[in-house]
Amino acid sequence: DIQMTQSPSSLSASVGGRVTITCRASQDISNSLAWYQHKPGRAPKLLLYAASTLESGVSSKFSGSASGTDYTLIISSLQPEDFATYFCQQYYTSPYTFGQGTKLEIK
Amino acid sequence: EVQLVESGGGLVQPGRSLRLSCAASGFNLDDYAMHWLRQAPGKGLEWVSGISWNSGKIDYADSVRGRFTISRDNAKNSLYLDMNSLRPEDTAVYYCARAFPFLEYFQHWGPGTRVNISS
Repeated sequence: DIQMTQSPSSLSASVGGRVTITCRASQDISNSLAWYQHKPGRAPKLLLYAASTLESGVSSKFSGSASGTDYTLIISSLQPEDFATYFCQQYYTSPYTFGQGTKLEIK
Repeated sequence: EVQLVESGGGLVQPGRSLRLSCAASGFNLDDYAMHWLRQAPGKGLEWVSGISWNSGKIDYADSVRGRFTISRDNAKNSLYLDMNSLRPEDTAVYYCARAFPFLEYFQHWGPGTRVNISS
C-alpha cells in the first residue's frame, strides 16, 4: 500500500495568517493527490485534486503544489471558518490512502 | 444540490452484523462510482470499499475483505454496506462518497453514520 505521511499533525495560526501542510507519498503517485477540509460532524469537503487543481466553488486562498513525492497545501488569509482538519489522499492506486490529518487551530 | 445521507449505524456486539445505507439525491447515481470510507476514533481516514456505476467492478480494503459487502440499487438511488463478523476495530464513523468519474477522489461526502462495536 502507498503510505501518505502528513505533517504537521497540528498547528496554530492567527486569523489573516498563512499555513503550509505537507504530504509525502511512499512512492510515485504522479500528482494523483487530493486535499480535503473536515469539520467535526460535517461531511469532508474536497478542496483540490491533481495536486494543484482547485475544485469548483473553492476559494483561491487554497493552493497546492507538488515536487517529486512531496505535496503541499497552502492556505492564505486565514479566516475563522478555515480552522478545521485537513487531510490528503492519494488516488493513484487502490487501496486509496490518506494522510493522518492536520488539525489547524486558532492561535 | 448533491446530497448523500448515511443511515443504519448504531451499537452492535462483536460478531454481529449491520447494514449501512446511503441515500443519494441531486444527481444520477448510475453515472458515478461510489465508495465507503471510515474514520475510527482518534485515527485517520480509511477507504473501505468502492463500487463502479454498474456494480461491475468492486474493491475492498484488506481489513474488511470477506466480511463486508458493498452493493447499490441505482433505481432506488441507494448505496449499501453489509457488514458481518463485526470487530471492535470496526468502530468508526462511516461515510459514503461519490467519486469523480474514472478517478477515485471523492467530490461529495455524506456527514457520516457512527458504528460502535462493543459488548
